[in-house]
Amino acid sequence: GAVVSQHPSRVICKSGTSVKIECRSLDFQATTMFWYRQFPKQSLMLMATSNEGSKATYEQGVEKDKFLINHASLTLSTLTVTSAHPEDSSFYICSARPPPWEGVHQPQHFGDGTRLSIL
Amino acid sequence: QKEVEQNSGPLSVPEGAIASLNCTYSDRGSQSFFWYRQYSGKSPELIMSIYSNGDKEDGRFTAQLNKASQYVSLLIRDSQPSDSATYLCAVNDNQGGKLIFGQGTELSVKP
Repeated sequence: GAVVSQHPSRVICKSGTSVKIECRSLDFQATTMFWYRQFPKQSLMLMATSNEGSKATYEQGVEKDKFLINHASLTLSTLTVTSAHPEDSSFYICSARPPPWEGVHQPQHFGDGTRLSIL
Repeated sequence: QKEVEQNSGPLSVPEGAIASLNCTYSDRGSQSFFWYRQYSGKSPELIMSIYSNGDKEDGRFTAQLNKASQYVSLLIRDSQPSDSATYLCAVNDNQGGKLIFGQGTELSVKP
């Protein structure tokens, strides 16, 4: 159980393009999803926390107009990188957590990640 | 600021040995603790969760928690080359449910 699906797995596109990444919880409802970015040889960096039906909470230094997050249902969150530039090239990973009513100690389950390359 | 500390390694052990990975955390109120394994170029994979003081065993993996010392560890028995990866210690932030990650320990198991 606790499978999180993330698509696409890899994107290569030109500078100025907007890219949408989808994150789905396949076998559980996820009231909260998280978006991370990871550069080579570095730790995971939390970008934002996405709550179903409300606005995402962005971490300090993350541009909310650049990284648009939508969490319209209990099983789907999307991250759109708007007007992407080469410095946005990175490994983007989502995670989802089962709701608290299914247990107090719920881990985050990660998608397979999206490798974004902006030319 | 809440912190989770791990030795970055690399930790190198011979095949068949026990690998011991350690983690300390700063928030005494933390309740949930997780170990994730991340292979190079892949996303993290949950391998152990622990919530109560003491040991929790799952196959070749044993997680140990000592809340008084604010210390979590992961033991891998009979280490295999396929265990070579970065191991991330994560602690639940009780405010908002975020995970606070350590910087990860790179483990290398030599055949």
